[in-house]
Amino acid sequence: SQQGEEDPQALSIQEGENATMNCSYKTSINNLQWYRQNSGRGLVHLILIRSNEREKHSGRLRVTLDTSKKSSSLLITASRAADTASYFCATDARNTGTASKLTFGTGTRLQVTL
Amino acid sequence: DGGITQSPKYLFRKEGQNVTLSCEQNLNHDAMYWYRQDPGQGLRLIYYSQIVNDFQKGDIAEGYSVSREKKESFPLTVTSAQKNPTAFYLCASSPWDVDGYTFGSGTRLTVV
Repeated sequence: SQQGEEDPQALSIQEGENATMNCSYKTSINNLQWYRQNSGRGLVHLILIRSNEREKHSGRLRVTLDTSKKSSSLLITASRAADTASYFCATDARNTGTASKLTFGTGTRLQVTL
Repeated sequence: DGGITQSPKYLFRKEGQNVTLSCEQNLNHDAMYWYRQDPGQGLRLIYYSQIVNDFQKGDIAEGYSVSREKKESFPLTVTSAQKNPTAFYLCASSPWDVDGYTFGSGTRLTVV
């Protein structure tokens, strides 16, 4: 089963604009993570936000989490052509003493044009 | 350099054959995972292993088998019982106490 649904499915913007992707999930979580996937490649971990956090920044990335609405957003500021990729949210509902087990969303395909 | 290696990059399987996908990591990670990705879709968990000699089924384990005899290795066998095996397979690993996965570059399996 896929925990998360992402919105929009596809997003096309021009270089320099901001890109916002949203993720909704269904059950309680320990943390939520965002990953990036270039076409035909593996995923790369971008940023993690814990359930007791509301906002987190990393470089040009800003992530928010609203546990009451079971939703998260990823903002990429001042986008570049190299940001073109698919972006996935993943939720971790791990219990204490167990390893992580991520459930991935359906992804947003971002296209940044010159 | 530490990392996670999947091989082969491309694999072709005939109907009725079993094939094994390799996943090796030198990151000293305890947990390892196999995901399947279909075109335009998210990732679905096939199997995962938290420790050597132990593994659990994920959401779509039918038609697949795994082993975890060494910490570094977590091979996935796609059996003839898997009716629609054509997909992109991703292996990942993570430490026990640190969040975030490291992914391999994937194996694209095609049934011919």
